[in-house]
Amino acid sequence: VQLVQSGADVKKPGSSVKVSCRTSGGTFNTYAISWVRQAPGQGLEWMGGIIPVFHTPTYAQKFQGRVSITTDESTSTTYMELNSLISLDTAVYYCARGGGDFDYVDNTASYDAFDTWGQGTMVIVSS
Amino acid sequence: YVLTQPPSVSVAPGQTARITCGGNNLRSQSVHWYQQRPGQAPVLVVYDDSDRPSGIPERFSGSNSENTATLTISGVGAGDEADYYCQVWDGTSDFAVFGGGTKLTVL
Repeated sequence: VQLVQSGADVKKPGSSVKVSCRTSGGTFNTYAISWVRQAPGQGLEWMGGIIPVFHTPTYAQKFQGRVSITTDESTSTTYMELNSLISLDTAVYYCARGGGDFDYVDNTASYDAFDTWGQGTMVIVSS
Repeated sequence: YVLTQPPSVSVAPGQTARITCGGNNLRSQSVHWYQQRPGQAPVLVVYDDSDRPSGIPERFSGSNSENTATLTISGVGAGDEADYYCQVWDGTSDFAVFGGGTKLTVL
């Protein structure tokens, strides 16, 4: 399995960015795809994820209302859109795949380890 | 939920490196470990406390007890120089948590 991400992007403050992640060579619908970002010289930060078959994304509280994760099952592609960009959003954005489950009764998700990662997409936010 | 790692660990070539990850009642969680070399994407080296993905050498092992998980790398070489991150899934808040990362330096 490979995760292939879109290319680097430069955005103005206040705008939005949409990064894509295509799953190649493996099952798409039943695995969780997460988005993890890494600011320059900093650690890893989980933003949210989705299991395509359940159609319900899960977001880190920090990004609630500013991030949207969607999927296109026809192309096995997951998208992450981040709005209202500021300079602190400058980072490498990774998609990562792993097992997972979603409980419709409790509306809760559970993700396993991220065993496959995309190559990363550099997003620079600058005026 | 907070995971605490030492910022750096140094070890001589051929020796054993131990990188810790602290968290409240961590034993009740499944801990995963990632290696990230400079300029590269992270790679999973240990999952579910102590299991290794295919292709990861036996030199990499993990343990988890009470409030501390440990990644152990035996016979360390220059190729092991990297940042290492622990990670759990916080089922209470429904999100993935990463430790701050530990830079392993081979002297």
